[in-house]
Amino acid sequence: NAGVMQNPRHLVRRRGQEARLRCSPMKGHSHVYWYRQLPEEGLKFMVYLQKENIIDESGMPKERFSAEFPKEGPSILRIQQVVRGDSAAYFCASSELSGEETQYFGPGTRLLVL
Amino acid sequence: DAKTTQPPSMDCAEGRAANLPCNHSTISGNEYVYWYRQIHSQGPQYIIHGLKNNETNEMASLIITEDRKSSTLILPHATLRDTAVYYCIVRPGGSQGNLIFGKGTKLSVKP
Repeated sequence: NAGVMQNPRHLVRRRGQEARLRCSPMKGHSHVYWYRQLPEEGLKFMVYLQKENIIDESGMPKERFSAEFPKEGPSILRIQQVVRGDSAAYFCASSELSGEETQYFGPGTRLLVL
Repeated sequence: DAKTTQPPSMDCAEGRAANLPCNHSTISGNEYVYWYRQIHSQGPQYIIHGLKNNETNEMASLIITEDRKSSTLILPHATLRDTAVYYCIVRPGGSQGNLIFGKGTKLSVKP
């Protein structure tokens, strides 16, 4: 009964590079959420996706950030041309198709931009 | 903005009950109270949620006042591993939208 999986757990990038963060939801879950936690701050919602659809991206920066949740495979959060301010912990959560709203979180990816 | 108010920090002796309060005076009739915790550098962990009745599971109990304007999360026998930031979140029932995290309560369990 695996929980939400995220990889990599730690990612180091230099300014200007791309970062790709992956999230595999719990078995049977088709809703995925991404949250960001800046150092010493609370979690902030970024984007909510269902399979092949972005439902709410109101918390995601308009530039350089994108997210997808394809029919097959994990959800991907992509950050292009990373800057030092992107250094943070990125958490993914998932919930069931049936409308059960409890979100279960993964262990997170710690992104460090040098 | 979070619709809840929690004390920034609390201490609890190991083995004692930890009672974490949360005020949600503007809660609507269809909004649930959720509790999560975040142990240092880990992902948030779901604890419990409720609408108006008290709830209990293997982790904790949730006591919601009759007017639903406040609630208390109870960890019956706190251990050192319960040291974490505890978040109280109100959210409409059936909603698939995002969670709004406030600053939470930093619970320190001391030996």
